Amino acid sequence: NAGVTQTPKFRVLKTGQSMTLLCAQDMNHEYMYWYRQDPGMGLRLIHYSVGEGTTAKGEVPDGYNVSRLKKQNFLLGLESAAPSQTSVYFCASSYSRLRESYEQYFGPGTRLTVT
Amino acid sequence: RKEVEQDPGPFNVPEGATVAFNCTYSNSASQSFFWYRQDCRKEPKLLMSVYSSGNEDGRFTAQLNRASQYISLLIRDSKLSDSATYLCVVNTGGFKTIFGAGTRLFVKA
Repeated sequence: NAGVTQTPKFRVLKTGQSMTLLCAQDMNHEYMYWYRQDPGMGLRLIHYSVGEGTTAKGEVPDGYNVSRLKKQNFLLGLESAAPSQTSVYFCASSYSRLRESYEQYFGPGTRLTVT
Repeated sequence: RKEVEQDPGPFNVPEGATVAFNCTYSNSASQSFFWYRQDCRKEPKLLMSVYSSGNEDGRFTAQLNRASQYISLLIRDSKLSDSATYLCVVNTGGFKTIFGAGTRLFVKA
């Protein structure tokens, strides 16, 4: 039982390049989330999904797109990276219909630098 | 007003001290409450859920006061390994979860 995994762990991009961050969970959770965390700051929600095939914008969605084609996977895309997107990105999942609990479980994070 | 507010910190305490963190939330319809711990450059990890009756896990005690919309975390006999940022987290139903900004704790030898 791996919980929540993220790939890659580190990435350096040049301005204007694109990339996709992959998140996978094996807990059969319904909800999945993408956050960013900048140095000394709290978590900010980028996008979230309440089920397979559905996504919604969070607090800071601009410059990002997401897809959830399979229940266990949640992809975050950067179409044209900008230095302002240098951050640590965390994926999280929550809510199992079986357990009826809402605590979130996080992946280990992806450290992205855009030069 | 922020939906979840925490003591700004940082808290600097000696080993063996007792330290208390406070948190207030604004949405009276909030349903679930949690404390998370985040180590430097790591992901947040669930420390404990908070129940109306209060709950304890070893040196950690969490309490909830729904009338005052207030959550607390007490750490007794602090260890060096308790140094981290502690996040107060409130779920207002379904997917909607609000994370506090966190309170930094430094435990000194």
